[in-house]
Amino acid sequence: NAGVTQTPKFQVLKTGQSMTLQCAQDMNHNSMYWYRQDPGMGLRLIYYSASEGTTDKGEVPNGYNVSRLNKREFSLRLESAAPSQTSVYFCASSEVAEYEQYFGPGTRLTVT
Amino acid sequence: KQEVTQIPAALSVPEGENLVLNCSFTDSAIYNLQWFRQDPGKGLTSLLLIQSSQREQTSGRLNASLDKSSGRSTLYIAASQPGDSATYLCAVMTDNYGQNFVFGPGTRLSVLP
Repeated sequence: NAGVTQTPKFQVLKTGQSMTLQCAQDMNHNSMYWYRQDPGMGLRLIYYSASEGTTDKGEVPNGYNVSRLNKREFSLRLESAAPSQTSVYFCASSEVAEYEQYFGPGTRLTVT
Repeated sequence: KQEVTQIPAALSVPEGENLVLNCSFTDSAIYNLQWFRQDPGKGLTSLLLIQSSQREQTSGRLNASLDKSSGRSTLYIAASQPGDSATYLCAVMTDNYGQNFVFGPGTRLSVLP
């Protein structure tokens, strides 16, 4: 039981490049989330998926897109990376939205 | 808009002390409150979840309380150990769809041997 896994662990992009961050959970959870963590700003919700087939914007969705591929997987895509997107990205899941959230180990992204 | 603050920002205590971490939120209409710990360079580990109808939750040496009316939660750590050194974050959910899951900035705890 791996919990929540994220790939890659580290990534360096040049401005304008695109990439997809992958997240998978093996706990049969319905809800999944993407956060970013920045010094001085704390953790902020980018997008969430309350259940398979649904996605909604969080606090800071601009510049990102998401796909809930199936119940296990929730990916985050940066279409044209900008230096302001340099951050640590965390994926999380919960059985349902009001239950406790379980986090992945994070992806450290640097955009130069 | 919901805002979450945590005091103190950093705390250093000798091993064995009991300690209290504080979390305050501005909108008392919360669905639940969750405490996490984060080790340097790692993800978040859930410690305790308190639903809005509950007053406290306990897990081992940890006890979390919730006073919705005053917008406060405390995390009590008994008999602290060096392994408790980490950043502790609280987060509140203000509806049941996860949209307004708002985190505090965290308290960085150091427990000295």
